Amino acid sequence: AQKITQTQPGMFVQEKEAVTLDCTYDTSDPSYGLFWYKQPSSGEMIFLIYQGSYDQQNATEGRYSLNFQKARKSANLVISASQLGDSAMYFCAMREGLEGYQKVTFGIGTKLQVIP
Amino acid sequence: GAVVSQHPSWVICKSGTSVKIECRSLDFQATTMFWYRQFPKQSLMLMATSNEGSKATYEQGVEKDKFLINHASLTLSTLTVTSAHPEDSSFYICSALGLANDNEQFFGPGTRLTVL
Repeated sequence: AQKITQTQPGMFVQEKEAVTLDCTYDTSDPSYGLFWYKQPSSGEMIFLIYQGSYDQQNATEGRYSLNFQKARKSANLVISASQLGDSAMYFCAMREGLEGYQKVTFGIGTKLQVIP
Repeated sequence: GAVVSQHPSWVICKSGTSVKIECRSLDFQATTMFWYRQFPKQSLMLMATSNEGSKATYEQGVEKDKFLINHASLTLSTLTVTSAHPEDSSFYICSALGLANDNEQFFGPGTRLTVL
């Protein structure tokens, strides 16, 4: 079974609007971490946001927020007030365990295009 | 802070030659570095995890004799693709785990390898 599922291969959003990128995960480990990364066309992976499985509050970082629904095993990324520079591939990822050296598994990504 | 560099950023080589890719943590010490491979329009796949001063741990299906990893210091890990073939052409990305913050992997900008 896929550990990370991103069902939206591509998304369009109007500039200044909010957009939600979907991510569901599968694990039986009670301790895990969820990440979102942005990969522009240049190829670098840019860390956006992290949510630990025991975190009570949804993570937020500036315009990024993670809608963490533990029972549904869902970790959607919400980008508010989209900007043209947000156009990129977005990857959801999960680490089973809370130790940094443990393996991180990535989803297949969602390509976001922001329309002026 | 937390900058990871890779060298070279791109390389073209003939089939049968070996190519070395360097991954450096510029402003922090990294006990653990990860090597990923990303084929076009696909996700990142973990190849191996390297810890300073010890042998790398390879993921299933990754040939350790073909992809030699050396993590000789807390700021440098190298990946050598030995006897490269066209099917090894890919985008290789490293990431580093800092000593101070083990929640986040800091990614390098990637190396695009093309084997003719």
